[in-house]
Amino acid sequence: AQTVTQSQPEMSVQEAETVTLSCTYDTSESDYYLFWYKQPPSRQMILVIRQEAYKQQNATENRFSVNFQKAAKSFSLKISDSQLGDAAMYFCAYTYRGGNNDMRFGAGTRLTVKP
Amino acid sequence: DGGITQSPKYLFRKEGQNVTLSCEQNLNHDAMYWYRQDPGQGLRLIYYSQIVNDFQKGDIAEGYSVSREKKESFPLTVTSAQKNPTAFYLCASSRLGETQYFGPGTRLLVL
Repeated sequence: AQTVTQSQPEMSVQEAETVTLSCTYDTSESDYYLFWYKQPPSRQMILVIRQEAYKQQNATENRFSVNFQKAAKSFSLKISDSQLGDAAMYFCAYTYRGGNNDMRFGAGTRLTVKP
Repeated sequence: DGGITQSPKYLFRKEGQNVTLSCEQNLNHDAMYWYRQDPGQGLRLIYYSQIVNDFQKGDIAEGYSVSREKKESFPLTVTSAQKNPTAFYLCASSRLGETQYFGPGTRLLVL
């Protein structure tokens, strides 16, 4: 069974600094997607970034980038120039492309941004 | 506006009562999903549907039921058999095999 592990329950960062959130996953499949979702206090789940496993290039979206290490099954999220609005729960998620698209989520990392 | 709506935002259930959570999408997505989120945890899949009139159980389907009579709608019923229903419920939709997008959620509380 596929599992997703986020080993950092809480992280904090100073405003304008950089922070990296960790995620590891376990799968025997080779074609899959990995995601980072943000859940602010409103509890709406917002897609931050997506990585396709067959692409070697790391995905980037403005201040958000990932470090995808397929062999190590590692998928970390880097937030640059952190802003107060980045404070939220961040969830790493996995889905196998050839399956039913049901996603597996990690337990989440709570990010605090200090002014 | 295109998107996913869920209602109500808050729902209270009495002992032995069935309650239904609404999820509607106008994104023309084929697939829809229901997740449950407990405090301090990630999301767990309850049910999903990839086509009208068909749906599949997820990891924690016991005590829940769904229907998919229209492409746009995927209501979730929390039955009296669900002994611990207090949680935050999230609905999502996607094109087949693609990224899932989420609604704003429904908070269910037991009186």
